[in-house]
Amino acid sequence: DIVMTQSPDSLAVSLGERATINCKSSQSVLYSSKNKNYLAWYQQKPGQPPKLLIYWASTRESGVPDRFSGNGSGTDFTLTIGSLQAEDVAVYYCQQYYTTPRTFGQGTKVEAK
Amino acid sequence: EVQLVESGGGLIQPGGSLRLSCAASEFTVTSNYMSWVRQAPGKGLEWVSLIYPDNATYYADSVKGRFTISRDNSKNTLYLQMISLRAEDTAMYYCARGKYDWNGPFDYWGQGTLVTVSS
Repeated sequence: DIVMTQSPDSLAVSLGERATINCKSSQSVLYSSKNKNYLAWYQQKPGQPPKLLIYWASTRESGVPDRFSGNGSGTDFTLTIGSLQAEDVAVYYCQQYYTTPRTFGQGTKVEAK
Repeated sequence: EVQLVESGGGLIQPGGSLRLSCAASEFTVTSNYMSWVRQAPGKGLEWVSLIYPDNATYYADSVKGRFTISRDNSKNTLYLQMISLRAEDTAMYYCARGKYDWNGPFDYWGQGTLVTVSS
């Protein structure tokens, strides 16, 4: 199984400041022949289901604000919130869809300082 | 607007059985791959099972042999049959749609149905 490890487990950022979350996979999720990283990011607010933010490691889902960006390739990825807004307070998960079992990171809780 | 509505959760004793349903609208459950994901109280997301358009199915090791994923094309509904339930199966169960037919992230999620396994 591919193990997804996020860091940090939590972070507190001032409103308007940048937040960066890291995600590392235990093996590459880059499908070389397609040159695509099978990596997604989700946002989950309390009492709500997860919401897809980013897929193919860096493609924003329709309707997602452009302050959210994803980067990385192979085994190391980042989600950046360029300027934290109050509504971005949530738990963020990375997930690989390169193979089954699909696996998620443990989550990173983002709070406003 | 694509919608997924789960039902069937509840309080069940250890060793019991339960069938979860996920009614889909504005797309057909055979056109995309579909999945169940669960979340224990206060914990992270755990993938449970998926079914592809060709009916191939996959399961997490933690539920293999106890859970069965299926769908009814005429009702446009996804199911998860759960038997031999354990306390550690207690979780919110979400159904989710794969963005594409064979792969991709989960682009739509239901609101979830809560399963509590307790005596």
